[in-house]
Amino acid sequence: GENVEQHPSTLSVQEGDSAVIKCTYSDSASNYFPWYKQELGKRPQLIIDIRSNVGEKKDQRIAVTLNKTAKHFSLHITETQPEDSAVYFCAATDTSGTYKYIFGTGTRLKVLA
Amino acid sequence: EAGVAQSPRYKIIEKRQSVAFWCNPISGHATLYWYQQILGQGPKLLIQFQNNGVVDDSQLPKDRFSAERLKGVDSTLKIQPAKLEDSAVYLCASSPVTGGYEQFFGPGTRLTVL
Repeated sequence: GENVEQHPSTLSVQEGDSAVIKCTYSDSASNYFPWYKQELGKRPQLIIDIRSNVGEKKDQRIAVTLNKTAKHFSLHITETQPEDSAVYFCAATDTSGTYKYIFGTGTRLKVLA
Repeated sequence: EAGVAQSPRYKIIEKRQSVAFWCNPISGHATLYWYQQILGQGPKLLIQFQNNGVVDDSQLPKDRFSAERLKGVDSTLKIQPAKLEDSAVYLCASSPVTGGYEQFFGPGTRLTVL
């Protein structure tokens, strides 16, 4: 079945450094890839997304890259701040099918002040 | 606009008891999702509705879980009887169209089965 692998499961960085989280998907029909941030005890919230016709998308300190050939996509956070500490989930879906989102297992990011 | 509402926020029950969760999506959102999020894992889709019809319930344990969406608006998810492994956060989400658009999540219901 469809599967999304996410690495690493935990990531600690110093404030101001960059953080990179990687996801690999199995369904070649996937064409929409959102990233969600979930702070402790709170609901997941979309922070950035990318469609399969785009290789990279950037929004201030956050960027996502997509390699369709290799079936992987990555989240890049630059100049990390303590408020970036949270669990980040990637997801993949095929918008021409049932639009079922397959989530990764999550990455717990800790930004050390 | 108001967000996705869920209740209750917390529930503790004994195994073999029944429990029901309620979700009110964002007004006008046609698609509603129920996810199960076990501690340390990503959300797993249980069931997806478009208006009041089921789009996907392939991962719903139908021997104990049931869900309905009356009049294409509110939805309830029921577990009967509950097992220890059902302890999780149950998240409801909605989106204006199916696929390719942001899903807006509710605050979740944390279920503990003792």
